[in-house]
Amino acid sequence: GEDVEQSLFLSVREGDSSVINCTYTDSSSTYLYWYKQEPGAGLQLLTYIFSNMDMKQDQRLTVLLNKKDKHLSLRIADTQTGDSAIYFCADNDGGSQGNLIFGKGTKLSVKP
Amino acid sequence: GAGVSQSPSNKVTEKGKDVELRCDPISGHTALYWYRQRLGQGLEFLIYFQGNSAPDKSGLPSDRFSAERTGESVSTLTIQRTQQEDSAVYLCASSLALSAGGRTEAFFGQGTRLTVV
Repeated sequence: GEDVEQSLFLSVREGDSSVINCTYTDSSSTYLYWYKQEPGAGLQLLTYIFSNMDMKQDQRLTVLLNKKDKHLSLRIADTQTGDSAIYFCADNDGGSQGNLIFGKGTKLSVKP
Repeated sequence: GAGVSQSPSNKVTEKGKDVELRCDPISGHTALYWYRQRLGQGLEFLIYFQGNSAPDKSGLPSDRFSAERTGESVSTLTIQRTQQEDSAVYLCASSLALSAGGRTEAFFGQGTRLTVV
């Protein structure tokens, strides 16, 4: 079946850039997503990218997509302590039903 | 309501008892998902509904778990004969109709924290 994989932890210092990586197996994915889960809260959509794009920038966030390698990354510039959260990569099952498949999440810790 | 609502927000139950978790999706959202998140771990897919039918039940961990949805609205996740390993946060999400290759934004509820003692 489909799989979405992420590293589980990332620790950075405040002001540095954070890069969270994700790999996926479904070559028919048309959209890929990043969700953020703050402590004690539900998941919220952070950003998404369409599969015919290789980059999308939104303020401090940059999403890079390498479709050939099925690799997605989320870069957060000037990381702040408020960015500490779990970040989930997700793709839609473009081949059939379109349901969302999530990775296990990367816990980002930002040290002051 | 404005968002996805789950109830109860917290549930403590004794091992062996049955529990029922409820999810009220956003009105008009035909797709509904259930996930499980154990302490310190990521999202584990359980089941999703397209309307009232569940095309993919592959994530349900055992036959003690079942889910249903009626009226393309409320969904209940039932866990029978609960075990301590069932302790987790159960998250529900809903989205507009799914289509192969379409963009899907899922809106999540706050979750039900289940503790089996």
